[in-house]
Amino acid sequence: GESVGLHLPTLSVQEGDNSIINCAYSNSASDYFIWYKQESGKGPQFIIDIRSNMDKRQGQRVTVLLNKTVKHLSLQIAATQPGDSAVYFCAENSDYKLSFGAGTTVTVRA
Amino acid sequence: DTAVSQTPKYLVTQMGNDKSIKCEQNLGHDTMYWYKQDSKKFLKIMFSYNNKELIINETVPNRFSPKSPDKAHLNLHINSLELGDSAVYFCASSQDFGTASYEQYFGPGTRLTVT
Repeated sequence: GESVGLHLPTLSVQEGDNSIINCAYSNSASDYFIWYKQESGKGPQFIIDIRSNMDKRQGQRVTVLLNKTVKHLSLQIAATQPGDSAVYFCAENSDYKLSFGAGTTVTVRA
Repeated sequence: DTAVSQTPKYLVTQMGNDKSIKCEQNLGHDTMYWYKQDSKKFLKIMFSYNNKELIINETVPNRFSPKSPDKAHLNLHINSLELGDSAVYFCASSQDFGTASYEQYFGPGTRLTVT
């Protein structure tokens, strides 16, 4: 079956710098995409979502970009903070269910 | 004010045993889910219920039997536990099912260890 994948399993970033987490998806029929953050010992937490009819959406310190031509999704975190250290998952919605990628572990260096 | 709660948080048991994990949501959502997260953090949907009716069953072995007594609860019963069942199990809920956008709220997870 088709699945969502992330380009890099780990990302180390200096506190205060911007982070970019990438995700490639393969199901062109997916109509909705979500980024989740999972801190150690906790369940995934919603960060931001985007529908397939958009190419950019901004939240508080986060921006999601969607490029349907190359089936690519990215999450940008501005001014990364120690509390941003977590595993980040992209997920796509198709056939009324979410399919998650493998996750990128972000470590923020002080 | 926990939105989605699960019990127990940790479960250690031996192969062959039968165990249950309970989930409750107080968000008034119509749809609930069970996910399995393996040791590599890969998160995969197992089941989905909408208003107590099963809508997604992702080729999960029939040793796993979800039960939804009402739309606020979705329990997971596992028979004849195997080593490969060791994982973290997450319950989640969403307002609706089948719409183009619906945020899923996850519980804190239940870490199951089968020895």
